Amino acid sequence: SQTIHQWPATLVQPVGSPLSLECTVEGTSNPNLYWYRQAAGRGLQLLFYSVGIGQISSEVPQNLSASRPQDRQFILSSKKLLLSDSGFYLCAWKWDNEKLFFGSGTQLSVL
Amino acid sequence: QKEVEQDPGPLSVPEGAIVSLNCTYSNSAFQYFMWYRQYSRKGPELLMYTYSSGNKEDGRFTAQVDKSSKYISLFIRDSQPSDSATYLCAMSEGGYQKVTFGIGTKLQVIP
Repeated sequence: SQTIHQWPATLVQPVGSPLSLECTVEGTSNPNLYWYRQAAGRGLQLLFYSVGIGQISSEVPQNLSASRPQDRQFILSSKKLLLSDSGFYLCAWKWDNEKLFFGSGTQLSVL
Repeated sequence: QKEVEQDPGPLSVPEGAIVSLNCTYSNSAFQYFMWYRQYSRKGPELLMYTYSSGNKEDGRFTAQVDKSSKYISLFIRDSQPSDSATYLCAMSEGGYQKVTFGIGTKLQVIP
């Protein structure tokens, strides 16, 4: 069966520090991968998606970037975090072209 | 106008009640409809998946889609305290189109 791993679960970072969140999927090949952010009181915002190695599409211009160095690995990064980058970050993969399955999420607090 | 509208609640009901959760949408091209359940600080979990109009039942949960009215519903029968969570509706045109989420309705089932 397919599983998605996301870490860390919680992260507290100072403003201006770098960020790296990692997500890996097991049990499937060439998945479509997604990064979402969920801010308090707001819905899920799609940040990036990838249909293959090295292929990244950005949904909103921001302080973040994404990379897909391997088929089942998706990384979210920032060179310098802002206060507004705080939120709950979720990695997801898409199966059957329609169904999204999410990781457990990373709660990021930028102080 | 938002593409997907969902009342954020909170909605409080007594244990055993029938719960009705709803979303409206504006994009008539949506044809895949989903409901996710999200516990606090966890990733959303796919609960129900429906293609086009009609009803789908799974245990205590029933999902309804009315494409003519652009309206979808999730009914929970015999609600339990363990159903207390945030419920997000989601929809997609299909293929590689992105999934659009509602803001989520927070439900509390009181014992």
